[in-house]
Amino acid sequence: GQNIDQPTEMTATEGAIVQINCTYQTSGFNGLFWYQQHAGEAPTFLSYNVLDGLEEKGRFSSFLSRSKGYSYLLLKELQMKDSASYLCAVMDSNYQLIWGAGTKLIIKP
Amino acid sequence: GAVVSQHPSWVICKSGTSVKIECRSLDFQATTMFWYRQFPKQSLMLMATSNEGSKATYEQGVEKDKFLINHASLTLSTLTVTSAHPEDSSFYICSARPVSGDRETQYFGPGTRLLVL
Repeated sequence: GQNIDQPTEMTATEGAIVQINCTYQTSGFNGLFWYQQHAGEAPTFLSYNVLDGLEEKGRFSSFLSRSKGYSYLLLKELQMKDSASYLCAVMDSNYQLIWGAGTKLIIKP
Repeated sequence: GAVVSQHPSWVICKSGTSVKIECRSLDFQATTMFWYRQFPKQSLMLMATSNEGSKATYEQGVEKDKFLINHASLTLSTLTVTSAHPEDSSFYICSARPVSGDRETQYFGPGTRLLVL
């Protein structure tokens, strides 16, 4: 079956760095997405990786290793507004998104 | 950027009534729209995929007679929850794939929160 695993919850300190991991097993692969979702809101797009390596976009970076079925989202210089759920999603061979359950990130002052 | 709207943003209804949710792509045309449902503290679950002018494709376990989807134009898809029950209370989110663009691209609407009493 198809499976996306990510930690349920993480806690980090304002100004610090946090890495959220995601492992996946899917039927086919057409890219991996990271979304941010604040409570009561729809997901907002953060990053897309389809080739191995690191994609950097401001304070956020995303890494992909297709051979390992592994990705991580790296958040630097954490701000209180970064408190949210971070969803890992893989696009399968049918171009459908398979979603992880999300990682709730709690930022403490 | 591409914008997708949903209406209403939230709705409360009585058990047994029907509720229609609209999903519109405001500044682009969408051949395909996706409907998701998200229960509290859970991930998004794809309910169905709708293509303009054809019948929607429903995911396993989703009742097509209960969740009616119409995608009559390239900018509008509707989801009607018929004979709603309290267990249908959820956060319903649509996304749209532009006609022009990669198949990896989806733009999400803001979601509709449904509460069935």
